[in-house]
Amino acid sequence: QSVLTQPPSASGPPGQRVTISCSGSRSNIGTNTVHWYQQVPGTAPKLLIFSNIKRPSGVPDRISGSKSDTSASLAISGLQSEDEADYYCAAWDDSLNGLVFGGGTKLTVL
Amino acid sequence: QVQLQESGPGLLKPSETLSLTCTVSGDSISGTNYYWGWIRQTPGKGLEWIGIIHYSGSTYYNPSLKSRVTISVDTSMNHFSLKVNSLTASDTAMYYCARHDLEIRFWGQGTLVTVSS
Repeated sequence: QSVLTQPPSASGPPGQRVTISCSGSRSNIGTNTVHWYQQVPGTAPKLLIFSNIKRPSGVPDRISGSKSDTSASLAISGLQSEDEADYYCAAWDDSLNGLVFGGGTKLTVL
Repeated sequence: QVQLQESGPGLLKPSETLSLTCTVSGDSISGTNYYWGWIRQTPGKGLEWIGIIHYSGSTYYNPSLKSRVTISVDTSMNHFSLKVNSLTASDTAMYYCARHDLEIRFWGQGTLVTVSS
């Protein structure tokens, strides 16, 4: 049971917009910034979004993040086959004094 | 470019102690204010944060693992290490080392550790 809650799966056809939610609590998302990771099977996770909404260099602007109260979302527009991967949200938890992850969402491009 | 590389045994028996080392290149562990840490991923499952260390020695651990885990740093070798004792089959996982800000920008490629008799 993960501290942050994500849907186990999401899908959409090429070109569509998909959003992935991440629900937490006051001690994690409610107080600290959220980051998102993309993981292609067999590889290490890659940072997609940090500080709720910022993209590292090299991440396309069709990928965006948002946060409201104790929830966050990752949006991917103009879906491409290369977006098929697992996506994880994360945030520092002040009660646990550690980093917590969501359970991950498997994105399928139909 | 920062690079991290895990090393250590891939197969251990129940009750043994796991020791992994992460060698850092392209950055100095003691030259920056980052934390350095470990994350694991059980086969087919999600990510689990293990803990982090600052070169000063300050550490934070996952409460669920704290009693069995020790993270240490060797600034002269520019590497940091993970020890997990009293292993069980549930510790079988891919272990990643990483440079830790609030977010994790740099990850090692991971090393698979299997616990089996």
